[in-house]
Amino acid sequence: QKEVEQDPGPLSVPEGAIVSLNCTYSNSAFQYFMWYRQYSRKGPELLMYTYSSGNKEDGRFTAQVDKSSKYISLFIRDSQPSDSATYLCAMVKSNTGKLIFGQGTTLQVKP
Amino acid sequence: DVKVTQSSRYLVKRTGEKVFLECVQDMDHENMFWYRQDPGLGLRLIYFSYDVKMKEKGDIPEGYSVSREKKERFSLILESASTNQTSMYLCATQIGTRANYGYTFGSGTRLTVV
Repeated sequence: QKEVEQDPGPLSVPEGAIVSLNCTYSNSAFQYFMWYRQYSRKGPELLMYTYSSGNKEDGRFTAQVDKSSKYISLFIRDSQPSDSATYLCAMVKSNTGKLIFGQGTTLQVKP
Repeated sequence: DVKVTQSSRYLVKRTGEKVFLECVQDMDHENMFWYRQDPGLGLRLIYFSYDVKMKEKGDIPEGYSVSREKKERFSLILESASTNQTSMYLCATQIGTRANYGYTFGSGTRLTVV
């Protein structure tokens, strides 16, 4: 079983839809949680970073962490075609300091 | 902003060749990483380095080696390229020694071994 599970999709939504991307994890040692966005033929770029359970908002993006359920989400409001990319969740194991990535979910927003 | 530059975007090499992938950062980041990214497998850590001349194996080091002679440059070496090393290779850097500071990635090198 992978330490971090993420549905690879692909996920296709119409422009303007609310998108929900999710990851689950199995190890309570994960403490810091991140979302990366990767456009085609590019490297991943850090989108959002959270530590505690709860919500963190940045423009149209909201990152949510539920440590009790070992579940993190990224919500995209009013999705745009420019949001079409692969979204990777990542989390840090506090005992090793290593960053563990999910498989990535490919999102397509259709105009 | 930190810039991480990978020397080649696309590379085609023959089986058995020795291949060098170069990564240069323009900030004084201590930590540097090499990943490969494959469909269905995600990002897998090959090697990382916390300082000059220091290196540690990641999850899939077999068939690879690394070199870090200067702080800004981290090279990945495929000693004898094989077709199963066809992949997207990503270099990343990180400030400090705490992984809660996110990684900055290069644009990647898509390597094809024929």
